[in-house]
Amino acid sequence: KQEVTQIPAALSVPEGENLVLNCSFTDSAIYNLQWFRQDPGKGLTSLLLIQSSQREQTSGRLNASLDKSSGRSTLYIAASQPGDSATYLCAPDSNSGYALNFGKGTSLLVTP
Amino acid sequence: EAQVTQNPRYLITVTGKKLTVTCSQNMNHEYMSWYRQDPGLGLRQIYYSMNVEVTDKGDVPEGYKVSRKEKRNFPLILESPSPNQTSLYFCASSQYTGELFFGEGSRLTVL
Repeated sequence: KQEVTQIPAALSVPEGENLVLNCSFTDSAIYNLQWFRQDPGKGLTSLLLIQSSQREQTSGRLNASLDKSSGRSTLYIAASQPGDSATYLCAPDSNSGYALNFGKGTSLLVTP
Repeated sequence: EAQVTQNPRYLITVTGKKLTVTCSQNMNHEYMSWYRQDPGLGLRQIYYSMNVEVTDKGDVPEGYKVSRKEKRNFPLILESPSPNQTSLYFCASSQYTGELFFGEGSRLTVL
């Protein structure tokens, strides 16, 4: 079974810092990997989807990379803002979109 | 607006009283899924559906039923709820290997 680990579990940074969130997974035979954001009491919002054939995806200040062979993905957030405060989850898909396995997330707090 | 709609958003019930949490999506997605989220355990998949009349178990299906009679709807049924089913439930949908869209969640308390 796919095991997903996210490090760190929690992170607090001052506004403006660049930061990296890490995700590792045990089964490298994945179809894609998604990064999600979850605000307290809310549903998850997909931030970036990286197909297995891709190395990275970018959206605004967010950049996600994928190294399938080593079972790792990173989410880079540039110039962090207080509005970025949320929990970030990664989810590799091991079964053609039918079996996303979620990490427990990184809780990010960006202070003004 | 593309969305996944769950109802009810909040529910308190008692042990053994059957309940249904509805889920509807307006994006014509083939794939739909139910997850539960618990502190310290993260998100775990309960059931998923690849298309109408096609469903399969996820990681934690015990105590739950689903049906997929129409493409847009995927209700979650708790025939005889127990306190260990107290949780935050999410419905999600996507196209094949595409971006996964989540509902806002349904917080269920079973007394």
